[in-house]
Amino acid sequence: QSALTQPASVSGSPGQSITISCTGTSSDVGGYNYVSWYQHHPGKAPKLMIYEVSNRPSGVSNRFSGSKSGNTASLTISGLQSEDEADYYCTSYTSSSTYVFGTGTKVTVL
Amino acid sequence: QVQLQESGPGLVKPSETLSLTCAVSGYSISSGYYWGWIRQPPGKGLEWIGSIYHSGSTYYNPSLKSRVTISIDTSKNQFSLKLSSVTAADTAVYYCAREPGRDIWGQGTMVTVSS
Repeated sequence: QSALTQPASVSGSPGQSITISCTGTSSDVGGYNYVSWYQHHPGKAPKLMIYEVSNRPSGVSNRFSGSKSGNTASLTISGLQSEDEADYYCTSYTSSSTYVFGTGTKVTVL
Repeated sequence: QVQLQESGPGLVKPSETLSLTCAVSGYSISSGYYWGWIRQPPGKGLEWIGSIYHSGSTYYNPSLKSRVTISIDTSKNQFSLKLSSVTAADTAVYYCAREPGRDIWGQGTMVTVSS
């Protein structure tokens, strides 16, 4: 299975909104509403930010939102803050009953 | 609250078998959920290794399937990963997590493959 495609990096100024894309196929992203997003600060465990495309776990800021169109899922961070600077990964369930992660996106707050 | 803790050797020789255990506290793994392993090689992204249901059903990354075994021990409330015939490419931080949402993760353990 091939990794889902994410942009290597995305940047924005404090207060701005940014969107990270996650492109797969009809066998993963496009076929199921089981897309999750994780925030990963170096040296720490990844943190679940969005599950099942657009749901936020308790405690996650409402500045984070998720959506999906066709084979591409997206994570939007609004009101960008310095603590949002991290790596972000998407993941999707696949038709093989497995999971595949995205290539990862480094978010930089300018 | 639910906590996961990985343990195992930090150094494994090439061609040998990597063995890690994830101890679960605050929840009985026989009650449900899937339990999975994920790794991150240095400077690279996350890679899903596989997962196991509390009943013992397993699902593996096709690229690793021939070398991976995930097992569960409900009596000890833990699950384990074995990766055989390791090479330097298997050097990574290994995480265990509760699936399918991966809402809870262990802190990760670094495993280096080197002679």
